[in-house]
Amino acid sequence: ELKVEQNPLFLSMQEGKNYTIYCNYSTTSDRLYWYRQDPGKSLESLFVLLSNGAVKQEGRLMASLDTKARLSTLHITAAVHDLSATYFCAGLLKNTDKLIFGTGTRLQVFP
Amino acid sequence: NAGVTQTPKFRILKIGQSMTLQCTQDMNHNYMYWYRQDPGMGLKLIYYSVGAGITDKGEVPNGYNVSRSTTEDFPLRLELAAPSQTSVYFCASSLDRPKGYGYTFGSGTRLTVV
Repeated sequence: ELKVEQNPLFLSMQEGKNYTIYCNYSTTSDRLYWYRQDPGKSLESLFVLLSNGAVKQEGRLMASLDTKARLSTLHITAAVHDLSATYFCAGLLKNTDKLIFGTGTRLQVFP
Repeated sequence: NAGVTQTPKFRILKIGQSMTLQCTQDMNHNYMYWYRQDPGMGLKLIYYSVGAGITDKGEVPNGYNVSRSTTEDFPLRLELAAPSQTSVYFCASSLDRPKGYGYTFGSGTRLTVV
């Protein structure tokens, strides 16, 4: 079975700083997804990474995928308060339709 | 388009009661999923469906049942509610896995079993 692990689980960072959230997965995954969840809200799709070396950027967030290392990263550049949320990565178990989520990284950005 | 609609938004059940969580989507998506999210945790896959008449178990299917008689609807049934089923339930849908589409999530149903 696919296991998806994120670290750190909690991240408190100052505005203007850079940081990276890591997502490791245990077995071959067809593709990797990143989602954002605000408190008490549903999940918002951020990125879909389909192949080795894929890199996608939206605003201050950049996601990448290394299938050989079974690692995806979500890099935050010059953090702002509006990025405070919980970020989840999820992997699609290869040759199945099971989308498995990590435990999430709760990000707090303070002035 | 409404997207993925879940009802009810909140519900309190007594132990042993039954209920159905409704999920409907108007995007003609083939793939539909049910997840539960416990406080401070990630999402666990309960059941999923790749099309009308086809369902399969996820990571935590015990205590739940599903059916998929139409493309639009994917209800989740709790037969004998237990306190361990207190959680927030999310329904999601996707057009087609192989093409790498993202998943659209509903707003969730917050269920408390007392």
